[in-house]
Amino acid sequence: EVQLVESGGGLVKPGGSLRLSCAASGFTFSSYSINWVRQAPGKGLEWVAFISSSSSYIYYADSVKGRFTISRDNAKNSLYLQMNSLRAEDTAVYYCAREVWAQGGFQPNCDCWGQGTLVTVSS
Amino acid sequence: EIVLTQSPGTLSLSPGERATLSCRASQSVSSNYLAWYQQKPGQAPRLLIYGASSRATGIPDRFSGSGSGTDFTLTISRLEPEDFAVYYCQQYGSSPRYTFGQGTKLEIK
Repeated sequence: EVQLVESGGGLVKPGGSLRLSCAASGFTFSSYSINWVRQAPGKGLEWVAFISSSSSYIYYADSVKGRFTISRDNAKNSLYLQMNSLRAEDTAVYYCAREVWAQGGFQPNCDCWGQGTLVTVSS
Repeated sequence: EIVLTQSPGTLSLSPGERATLSCRASQSVSSNYLAWYQQKPGQAPRLLIYGASSRATGIPDRFSGSGSGTDFTLTISRLEPEDFAVYYCQQYGSSPRYTFGQGTKLEIK
């Protein structure tokens, strides 16, 4: 069974740091790009960051650029999100989501999501 | 940045009825790059439709997607009790990589 499991969320003060992890199983992790997507309480979905299968390509949303760092360890089947200089507006459930390109590589989508981990930034 | 606007914000229907959800883009989007997700309370989003009209694995055929350019539609032909949820459209772009609509809540009337 394809599975993604996030961990590392919790309560942190503004300006603090937190490192999220996403453990993958049931598929060849090193062959897939992965995204982080977040959802503030009662709000919609917001894309946060992307990392390609070999870490060659990394992209961030403007809202987190310079503060968050995405990385992966293919040997450990794990994805990470280092979050620094956290703000109240970073409070959200953070999901990791596998990216696939269907129909011969022309149709991108996120076909598998973890259950999410809650990050709360508050004093 | 392409903005996706979903309508209506809330749709109240009864089981067995037909649901039509709209997603409008601020500029033209390739049909290949438009997807729909379903999210139930306390759960992660689930992929329903990709490439505007292709159903994801395991998705019942009562779900269908259509559209092109700036106007896309998710249709649920006959609502089942488990279909009441929030639905998001998503588009793939260059920067940011993905944007989402604000969601349509489908509730039981």
